[in-house]
Amino acid sequence: KAGVTQTPRYLIKTRGQQVTLSCSPISGHRSVSWYQQTPGQGLQFLFEYFSETQRNKGNFPGRFSGRQFSNSRSEMNVSTLELGDSALYLCASRDRLAGAHNEQFFGPGTRLTVL
Amino acid sequence: DQQVKQNSPSLSVQEGRISILNCDYTNSMFDYFLWYKKYPAEGPTFLISISSIKDKNEDGRFTVFLNKSAKHLSLHIVPSQPGDSAVYFCAAVVSGSARQLTFGSGTQLTVLP
Repeated sequence: KAGVTQTPRYLIKTRGQQVTLSCSPISGHRSVSWYQQTPGQGLQFLFEYFSETQRNKGNFPGRFSGRQFSNSRSEMNVSTLELGDSALYLCASRDRLAGAHNEQFFGPGTRLTVL
Repeated sequence: DQQVKQNSPSLSVQEGRISILNCDYTNSMFDYFLWYKKYPAEGPTFLISISSIKDKNEDGRFTVFLNKSAKHLSLHIVPSQPGDSAVYFCAAVVSGSARQLTFGSGTQLTVLP
């Protein structure tokens, strides 16, 4: 089974621009979550989509948005980029929302640099 | 408010010795805990987990211990190998809910040959 894929792997943008990142989950997985990883902050949860609906949301400003398509692929958009948005953006998939085993499977991430 | 804390940002251990990574949590509702390992330029990968009904779970060289009264868990790696050098994240969740995993900030483990 193919793993979680993310595109692009690296991205350089300037302040004020907007960016769209893409994530394809493991086949059969209907949940896609997005995380921001910065040094010393660990993985900060952005949002989770399940069956095209946002189910959970982290504490990020409205500049961060996402969506999920009927094939479970997901996109994340950041508008009006700020320097502090420079981070590794990770996507993770799981086959259900709740249950005893909540292992998530992560993609390699998109490294976003904002200049 | 960090509900899951990894207070040691880094740890260095000699090859063959034991590595102990620690994690504390504050939310008493958490009842399932996971450890992930992350190499540079890769996403985190699941390593081992433990349910709150247990106090120990073992998988090969990796053992996770849970002390519910202290709200503390630890990951033991014995013996440590240079390939174990990575960032280790602990995560917690309320298993019966649709809530997200809550991650700690990670500990960089370096195993010296």
